[in-house]
Amino acid sequence: GAVVSQHPSWVICKSGTSVKIECRSLDFQATTMFWYRQFPKQSLMLMATSNEGSKATYEQGVEKDKFLINHASLTLSTLTVTSAHPEDSSFYICSASPRRGGHEQFFGPGTRLTVL
Amino acid sequence: SQQGEEDPQALSIQEGENATMNCSYKTSINNLQWYRQNSGRGLVHLILIRSNEREKHSGRLRVTLDTSKKSSSLLITASRAADTASYFCATYMEYGNKLVFGAGTILRVKS
Repeated sequence: GAVVSQHPSWVICKSGTSVKIECRSLDFQATTMFWYRQFPKQSLMLMATSNEGSKATYEQGVEKDKFLINHASLTLSTLTVTSAHPEDSSFYICSASPRRGGHEQFFGPGTRLTVL
Repeated sequence: SQQGEEDPQALSIQEGENATMNCSYKTSINNLQWYRQNSGRGLVHLILIRSNEREKHSGRLRVTLDTSKKSSSLLITASRAADTASYFCATYMEYGNKLVFGAGTILRVKS
């Protein structure tokens, strides 16, 4: 149990385009979902926290107009990178928690974004 | 900034040897968790230790927590080549409702 999927697993796009990444909890309802970014050989940095039906809470330094997060249902959250640039190239990982607060998080396999 | 710092940054050992990784953090925590990440993949949860616990075991893994020193260690005994991965500690802060990851240790187990 507690499986989280992400789609796509990798994506290559041109600079200036927008990319949407989906995060789904397959066998549980995710009250809270988290989005992380990981640059090569670095750790995971939390970008934002979203509770179903509420606006996402962004970490300091993360542009909310650039990284649009939608958590419209208890099993799906999406991250849209708008007007992507090469510096947005990274590994994006989501996690889902069945409870508010994220005591217990289940991680997706990640999405590799490359912006040309 | 990141909550946790880990050392060593990289560790290379022979198969069969033990591997010890350390993690330090800055603020009060509710629990501390260890994760493994194979190259380019997602995270695998290894073990969680609560702030009122001092030691926890899971198979070949042993985790200790010293809240007075704000530090934790992960010991992998009898390492295998398949243990080669990056290992991260993550603290669940007492206030903040989020996990904060350390910088990670890259472990290489040579066969």
